[in-house]
Amino acid sequence: EIVLTQSPATLSLSPGERATLSCRASQSVSSSLAWFQQKPGLAPRLLIYAASNRATGIPARFSGSGSGTDFTLTISSLEPEDVAVYYCQQRSNWTFGGGTKVEIK
Amino acid sequence: QVQLVQSGAEVKKPGASVKVSCKASGYTFTGYYMHWVRQAPGQGLEWMGWINPNSGGTRYAQKFQGRVTMTRDTSISTAYMELSSLKSDDAAVYYCARVGYRELNFDYWGQGTLVTVSA
Repeated sequence: EIVLTQSPATLSLSPGERATLSCRASQSVSSSLAWFQQKPGLAPRLLIYAASNRATGIPARFSGSGSGTDFTLTISSLEPEDVAVYYCQQRSNWTFGGGTKVEIK
Repeated sequence: QVQLVQSGAEVKKPGASVKVSCKASGYTFTGYYMHWVRQAPGQGLEWMGWINPNSGGTRYAQKFQGRVTMTRDTSISTAYMELSSLKSDDAAVYYCARVGYRELNFDYWGQGTLVTVSA
């Protein structure tokens, strides 16, 4: 089973700063990786699919990169509404990473 | 517009079963796979399995094999997830989620159904 490891567990940044979230797979998933955002009390929302494609309606400040085993979600300029937990997920067996919590300093 | 509306919160005793429904609207129900994902309080997301609403075919995560059954009723565009032999650690919010053709991932989610397991 493919295991996804996300780091850091928590990221605390000021508004306007760049956020870099990492997701590492235990074996190659090619480009079959997605990123989800989950705000408290709400269902997750798809941000990025196939490693680097923004989903419908997702702001351009969100971008994804990587392939194989190492992936990155970047928020170019953090907004207060970006406070959430972010999960990566791979499509081989649909498992999720443990999540990264993004906070505003 | 696409909507997935789930049934309401449930309280069950250990050993009982729970059946959660997910009613789809705004698209052709049989054209898109439906998955189920759960989230224990304060924890991450856990994939449970999927159903092909067209054929009724299913695939379950190994962890839930033998305890979970996913079904559908195409006449009312509704998917179901039944989990049996409930334990305290099955307490969670259960979500249905549709897989989109373009994204090949979960483009729409239900609002979630809270299942509480308590004696």
